[in-house]
Amino acid sequence: NAGVTQTPKFRVLKTGQSMTLLCAQDMNHEYMYWYRQDPGMGLRLIHYSVGEGTTAKGEVPDGYNVSRLKKQNFLLGLESAAPSQTSVYFCASRPTFFPNSGERQFFGPGTRLTVL
Amino acid sequence: AQSVTQLDSQVPVFEEAPVELRCNYSSSVSVYLFWYVQYPNQGLQLLLKYLSGSTLVKGINGFEAEFNKSQTSFHLRKPSVHISDTAEYFCAVSVGTGGGNKLTFGTGTQLKVEL
Repeated sequence: NAGVTQTPKFRVLKTGQSMTLLCAQDMNHEYMYWYRQDPGMGLRLIHYSVGEGTTAKGEVPDGYNVSRLKKQNFLLGLESAAPSQTSVYFCASRPTFFPNSGERQFFGPGTRLTVL
Repeated sequence: AQSVTQLDSQVPVFEEAPVELRCNYSSSVSVYLFWYVQYPNQGLQLLLKYLSGSTLVKGINGFEAEFNKSQTSFHLRKPSVHISDTAEYFCAVSVGTGGGNKLTFGTGTQLKVEL
């Protein structure tokens, strides 16, 4: 049981390049989330999904797209990378609410992205 | 919409001393409250959570937090810290059900434990 994994761990892009970050979870969780973490700003929600085939915007969605074609995977895409997207990206997942699930999110190890 | 305030961006403390990390939230409805810890170059791990019931919540690694509804606070405490507690701590709030049960995070408090 690997939990939540993220690929790649590190990446350097040039301005204007595109890339896709992959998040995978093997816990059969319904909900998945993408956050970015910047110094002094905590974690901010980019996009999230409440189930296969669904996505929704979070707090800072501009410049990003997502897809949830399979329940276990949640992809984050940058179509045209900008230096402002230099950040650490975290994926998280959560099961459908049951009283004992505790509303807890399970986090991946993060992807450190630098845009030059 | 809910929000979370962590007033202290950094808290230095000597080993074996007690520590309190402050968290205040704002919400017009009932909330679920969490503390997560992030060790250097790692993802976030859940320390403890408050959903309902007893207002004193105990978590892992000897940490505890007290939910105070009248003061809208959820401060994290540990009576005696260890060097290994050096990390960044995030308070988070989730509101109700539906809408993806999104978490709103505070800006984090860096706890630095010194010898």
